[in-house]
Amino acid sequence: GAVVSQHPSRVICKSGTSVKIECRSLDFQATTMFWYRQFPKQSLMLMATSNEGSKATYEQGVEKDKFLINHASLTLSTLTVTSAHPEDSSFYICSARRPQGAGTDTQYFGPGTRLTVL
Amino acid sequence: EDKVVQSPLSLVVHEGDTVTLNCSYEVTNFRSLLWYKQEKKAPTFLFMLTSSGIEKKSGRLSSILDKKELSSILNITATQTGDSAIYLCAVGQYDGGATNKLIFGTGTLLAVQP
Repeated sequence: GAVVSQHPSRVICKSGTSVKIECRSLDFQATTMFWYRQFPKQSLMLMATSNEGSKATYEQGVEKDKFLINHASLTLSTLTVTSAHPEDSSFYICSARRPQGAGTDTQYFGPGTRLTVL
Repeated sequence: EDKVVQSPLSLVVHEGDTVTLNCSYEVTNFRSLLWYKQEKKAPTFLFMLTSSGIEKKSGRLSSILDKKELSSILNITATQTGDSAIYLCAVGQYDGGATNKLIFGTGTLLAVQP
């Protein structure tokens, strides 16, 4: 199978603090990982694409200085929400891309992290 | 602007019914179309479609892609309460580099009543 883990599953923090979320591909190497955000009853919104060994590519409207992404190895990407505010409260989901042959690929998702900023 | 639209937004059926969920897209550099099932946590992968007209099947679920109509359907036969979930359609977009972004639709919320 293709297993992606995410840690922590739930975090509550005070406004102004920073929170780090880890995403790991457990049984395959992921050269590319993705970070999504999902608000209640809404679909997944891509925040950024994380490539191993290079800078992340952020989607329009996502502040790269606020959402720091590091992809230090082929199995680990981290998202740090800096100086968190209540409006950053959301469900954050990572995915890892597993190539499945030329021209096609599939993303496998982690279980998500519920962030609540007080 | 690239977009993926799913319909209906929500659906309530009874156990044993058959449902058809729709996904249409307007995405440049189309590469693939994927269906995911999302229950309480993160989405789980169902199907990936790249070729038009070839049905993919897994148990009671099946899906097919129509590239001419820029759409796909997901069928669920003999629905069970465990099928209750949000079904997400996503289109993979080739960006010319090493990555392949997924553009997600709004999802269809399916509720199967006993």
